[in-house]
Amino acid sequence: DTGVSQNPRHKITKRGQNVTFRCDPISEHNRLYWYRQTLGQGPEFLTYFQNEAQLEKSRLLSDRFSAERPKGSFSTLEIQRTEQGDSAMYLCASSSQGARHEQYFGPGTRLTVT
Amino acid sequence: AQKITQTQPGMFVQEKEAVTLDCTYDTSDPSYGLFWYKQPSSGEMIFLIYQGSYDQQNATEGRYSLNFQKARKSANLVISASQLGDSAMYFCAMRGDSGGYQKVTFGTGTKLQVIP
Repeated sequence: DTGVSQNPRHKITKRGQNVTFRCDPISEHNRLYWYRQTLGQGPEFLTYFQNEAQLEKSRLLSDRFSAERPKGSFSTLEIQRTEQGDSAMYLCASSSQGARHEQYFGPGTRLTVT
Repeated sequence: AQKITQTQPGMFVQEKEAVTLDCTYDTSDPSYGLFWYKQPSSGEMIFLIYQGSYDQQNATEGRYSLNFQKARKSANLVISASQLGDSAMYFCAMRGDSGGYQKVTFGTGTKLQVIP
């Protein structure tokens, strides 16, 4: 299967702890996106990579959030000093350079901060 | 700025009937793309259909078709012959093509329930 994969699928952490999520995109896709989705809402854009370069970052992404995509393959999203408001589903998506740029999503990582 | 509006929080449809999910959008970009995604209770977003702003014909993908009315800025999804497996959240999204990054904005979604 060559779909987008994300790990872990679920993460429960205590407030103040750091967490890191991983996303493996579809292998031939050079664009990678992170979104956050809360209950009853659509996904909200967090950040975007083209190959290894982080080209766009939402104002939603505070200084506690950082994302990397070394070598333009998998990506990690780290949240430092987690807060209860960080509890959400974190979605990763990838797309190719085709005209449509449709994004293919992974299953998400559900974060619960207690 | 881009905005997607989905005014139907929830919809019911009888199995085998057709249903239309509404989506209106607002953008200042002359070129843009419109998407529909399905999100079952399992959580994964599934790409359904795409419409480019310059496409002359409405997009179709199997039982899904997109009723694109550019002047009205609407991009409604039509699902024909509904199946029980169509019960899910449906999100309309738009990609603007100005600038170096094509940001995608999602609506708040419509929850569709198919009744046997």
